[in-house]
Amino acid sequence: EAGVTQSPTHLIKTRGQQATLRCSPISGHTSVYWYQQALGLGLQFLLWYDEGEERNRGNFPPRFSGRQFPNYSSELNVNALELEDSALYLCASSLGPGRSQPQHFGDGTRLSIL
Amino acid sequence: AQTVTQSQPEMSVQEAETVTLSCTYDTSENNYYLFWYKQPPSRQMILVIRQEAYKQQNATENRFSVNFQKAAKSFSLKISDSQLGDTAMYFCAFMKQAGGTSYGKLTFGQGTILTVHP
Repeated sequence: EAGVTQSPTHLIKTRGQQATLRCSPISGHTSVYWYQQALGLGLQFLLWYDEGEERNRGNFPPRFSGRQFPNYSSELNVNALELEDSALYLCASSLGPGRSQPQHFGDGTRLSIL
Repeated sequence: AQTVTQSQPEMSVQEAETVTLSCTYDTSENNYYLFWYKQPPSRQMILVIRQEAYKQQNATENRFSVNFQKAAKSFSLKISDSQLGDTAMYFCAFMKQAGGTSYGKLTFGQGTILTVHP
């Protein structure tokens, strides 16, 4: 079965621009999670979507937003990019809430802010 | 809020030997899940093993096993017969059981870089 796929692999932007990152979950998974892995800060939870709704949000400013589409794929949007947003953004999917299904991760999108 | 601590930034082991990675966590929850993930240089996070807090029996997956001490809030990973392909960053992670604002969220430790030498 195909795993979690993320695109693009690498994204280069400048300060003030907007970035859009995309994620396709494993077939049958309804939950999508976003994490930021920044140097020196470790892995931080960003957002969780399930069945098209935002279920939980980490401690990030509102310029980090996203959505989940009817086919369960998801977008993460980052507005007004800052240098500190440079990081690896990981998407994960699971079978959905309840019974704490394990999260399976994609390869990530490396976002570089110049 | 939950915290996860991995006190070993780096570890190394010879091929075929056994290594144990440490993890401690802090939580007021009684029902939760613990995970070990590995992240090789290829950067994809791969689930290694999972432990349900309500289970007393330690989880095992082939060469990987855990020592789960609930009272001590300790969750170590033992890798037996280490292989070169085990070289990776290993993350310990906590997830609260259903309900509440932290549900669905994985809280990760800082990671331990494991190098397996031939």
